[in-house]
Amino acid sequence: AQSVTQLGSHVSVSEGALVLLRCNYSSSVPPYLFWYVQYPNQGLQLLLKYTSAATLVKGINGFEAEFKKSETSFHLTKPSAHMSDAAEYFCAVSTGGFKTIFGAGTRLFVKA
Amino acid sequence: KAGVTQTPRYLIKTRGQQVTLSCSPISGHRSVSWYQQTPGQGLQFLFEYFSETQRNKGNFPGRFSGRQFSNSRSEMNVSTLELGDSALYLCASRPDGGPPYNEQFFGPGTRLTVL
Repeated sequence: AQSVTQLGSHVSVSEGALVLLRCNYSSSVPPYLFWYVQYPNQGLQLLLKYTSAATLVKGINGFEAEFKKSETSFHLTKPSAHMSDAAEYFCAVSTGGFKTIFGAGTRLFVKA
Repeated sequence: KAGVTQTPRYLIKTRGQQVTLSCSPISGHRSVSWYQQTPGQGLQFLFEYFSETQRNKGNFPGRFSGRQFSNSRSEMNVSTLELGDSALYLCASRPDGGPPYNEQFFGPGTRLTVL
């Protein structure tokens, strides 16, 4: 069975600092991995996705994630945080079926 | 293209009532999924419809049901509401039946409060 674990329900960084949101997955088959972002009172929006084409994936708003099979990880990073990055971030995994499993989410706070 | 729309945006019901939520996917999208989002449980998959057929189902009781129409619009129904059904219900559409790495496009959600 597939599962997703996001380490840290809350992460706080200063503006301009590195953002690192951790995601580990469990899957018996090669997974498809996603990061979504949710701003207050909105639905989820895709940041980036891994589909086995390249292990380093670049997304919108300066975010990127690296797929590491040996560590079963897909951590999300951004070199320099901006106030507008404050939101909740969800890691998700999908395999051969059409069900997507989401992690519990990590709320990112950005301090001025 | 217009995004995924959900109606109503907010809803207040009392225990024991039933409720119907509506979702209109992006034009041309034939797959619609529903999720329940709560602070304690996060995002929980309810079900997915594709071409008017339920293709996948999560672990929710039978009080939760859905359907999809020929124009791909979808409705979900919750009968005999319980306090624990208070949540944000999100609808997401996908371009076509597969592959599974196709991203989902989410609507803004319907905030259901059960009193």
